[in-house]
Amino acid sequence: TQLLEQSPQFLSIQEGENLTVYCNSSSVFSSLQWYRQEPGEGPVLLVTVVTGGEVKKLKRLTFQFGDARKDSSLHITAAQPGDTGLYLCAGAKNTDKLIFGTGTRLQVFP
Amino acid sequence: DAGITQSPRHKVTETGTPVTLRCHQTENHRYMYWYRQDPGHGLRLIHYSYGVKDTDKGEVSDGYSVSRSKTEDFLLTLESATSSQTSVYFCASETSGGGTDTQYFGPGTRLTVL
Repeated sequence: TQLLEQSPQFLSIQEGENLTVYCNSSSVFSSLQWYRQEPGEGPVLLVTVVTGGEVKKLKRLTFQFGDARKDSSLHITAAQPGDTGLYLCAGAKNTDKLIFGTGTRLQVFP
Repeated sequence: DAGITQSPRHKVTETGTPVTLRCHQTENHRYMYWYRQDPGHGLRLIHYSYGVKDTDKGEVSDGYSVSRSKTEDFLLTLESATSSQTSVYFCASETSGGGTDTQYFGPGTRLTVL
């Protein structure tokens, strides 16, 4: 059972465009993380959000945790080719293990 | 970046043979994890360890076993490999479990079972 569904599954855009990736669940999470994975490498943590409604910014990336802590979004402004990769959300329930989402593969063309 | 390595990086084996994948970390992290990554599924937890000789099952543990005899090493064994175990395997480690700490991932092992 996949508790965290991401959409879209694939996204191909031109450099300079904006995009939003969604991570949705019917379950409540105590925290949610976003990772980025480049080809041939392991995922790398981008951000952790723990409070409902929390917004965090990392340069051109904006992360939001839903008020009910069931969903999250990642917005990228003015995407660049260096943003290309697989984006994974991952949620945890209290002290339980991380549950990873299905992933969104982003391709940004110059 | 945390020092976490996996070996081998690539392996091709035949159905029914045993396979052991190794994960080594140099950060003295207490928690270590084995995941498999398949298209459309993200990362799925196979087994994890919360200390030397302390391990537990994850979401997709059937057909896999693990051992952790030292803090720095976490081994994943496929006792009798099957084609459904063809996947990319990632190891990760972190200081403490619970979902707010940073998991540091190795580069992955691509396993093909023929």
